[in-house]
Amino acid sequence: QKEVEQNSGPLSVPEGAIASLNCTYSDRGSQSFFWYRQYSGKSPELIMSIYSNGDKEDGRFTAQLNKASQYVSLLIRDSQPSDSATYLCAVESGGYQKVTFGTGTKLQVIP
Amino acid sequence: ETGVTQSPTHLIKTRGQQVTLRCSSQSGHNTVSWYQQALGQGPQFIFQYYREEENGRGNFPPRFSGLQFPNYSSELNVNALELDDSALYLCASSLTAGIQETQYFGPGTRLLVL
Repeated sequence: QKEVEQNSGPLSVPEGAIASLNCTYSDRGSQSFFWYRQYSGKSPELIMSIYSNGDKEDGRFTAQLNKASQYVSLLIRDSQPSDSATYLCAVESGGYQKVTFGTGTKLQVIP
Repeated sequence: ETGVTQSPTHLIKTRGQQVTLRCSSQSGHNTVSWYQQALGQGPQFIFQYYREEENGRGNFPPRFSGLQFPNYSSELNVNALELDDSALYLCASSLTAGIQETQYFGPGTRLLVL
């Protein structure tokens, strides 16, 4: 079992719709969870971090964490074509900032 | 822009050679982590340096080694290059090594091994 699992996609949504990206992880001791956006040929850019169960909102982005189910998700409201990118879920484990990334979900927002 | 710089941007080497990649962390950051990202994959953690000491290591062989200097810039060295070492190498800096600290990525070095 992979440590951090994501559906590779592509996930296609129409402009203005809600995009829902999901991630599961295997280490129950993990405490920090991150969503990064990566445009083709560029380095990852942090979108959201979440550390406790529940929802965290920042603009059009909402991260949701359920530690009991070992599940973290990212919702993007009012999706724009500029949101088209690969979204990487990352989970801290090991207690010293060792971050394990999933393989990423490619999101395509169709105008 | 994150304030993290890496050099060179691109590099071509042949199998068996050695390579050194460099990273300058964001001002005030004392922690640098290195990642390898193969095509179509997520970044894989190589190791982390905190205040000039290795603070953790992923599943990479000893031919991957590193250094952090007093100004907190860092080097990644790879000996005896293999074809599978072809990847984007990313460094990320953070203010400290705390588990909730945000890591800021540099633009990466794209290495091709022929």
